[in-house]
Amino acid sequence: GQQVMQIPQYQHVQEGEDFTTYCNSSTTLSNIQWYKQRPGGHPVFLIQLVKSGEVKKQKRLTFQFGEAKKNSSLHITATQTTDVGTYFCASLKTSYDKVIFGPGTSLSVIP
Amino acid sequence: EAQVTQNPRYLITVTGKKLTVTCSQNMNHEYMSWYRQDPGLGLRQIYYSMNVEVTDKGDVPEGYKVSRKEKRNFPLILESPSPNQTSLYFCASRSLLVDEQFFGPGTRLTVL
Repeated sequence: GQQVMQIPQYQHVQEGEDFTTYCNSSTTLSNIQWYKQRPGGHPVFLIQLVKSGEVKKQKRLTFQFGEAKKNSSLHITATQTTDVGTYFCASLKTSYDKVIFGPGTSLSVIP
Repeated sequence: EAQVTQNPRYLITVTGKKLTVTCSQNMNHEYMSWYRQDPGLGLRQIYYSMNVEVTDKGDVPEGYKVSRKEKRNFPLILESPSPNQTSLYFCASRSLLVDEQFFGPGTRLTVL
């Protein structure tokens, strides 16, 4: 079945450093979503990408969808302690009913 | 306030004792879903519902039941819980017009 992988599993950065997490699939994805989960919290939707090669920005966060629609990345510029949490990518199957989540990347930011 | 609520938030039970985790949303969303979250595995979809009286299996439905008798409620039923169902459970909802899912606060279940 469709699987979505994420790397790295964990990342520790000094505050102010950049951070990138990658999401990969062996099959073409119809779309990709990104969620953030703070420690002890619930996942919160960040963004959805649909088009091949799409790039979207939210302040210090940059999201990309690969040209082949098999991979995606989330890049955070100049991390802050408020960025701490686990970042998940997810994909809705073409029929937009089932959702497949990646295993997540846990980000720690050292002040 | 638009929200998804789950009850209980924490539950410790014993093997074989039937339990129900409730989920309710006040956003008039058609789509509702249950996930379990385990370390290193991310969130895995258990069941989902596209509308009232319409439910379907996700990736890990074994040992779970759901029902959707009303649009706002989507309870998760464990008829005979086992220790491998110890997990953090999230309910989520969304409109069929928008793909953004809204998650509840989670229910931490321990089965002894």
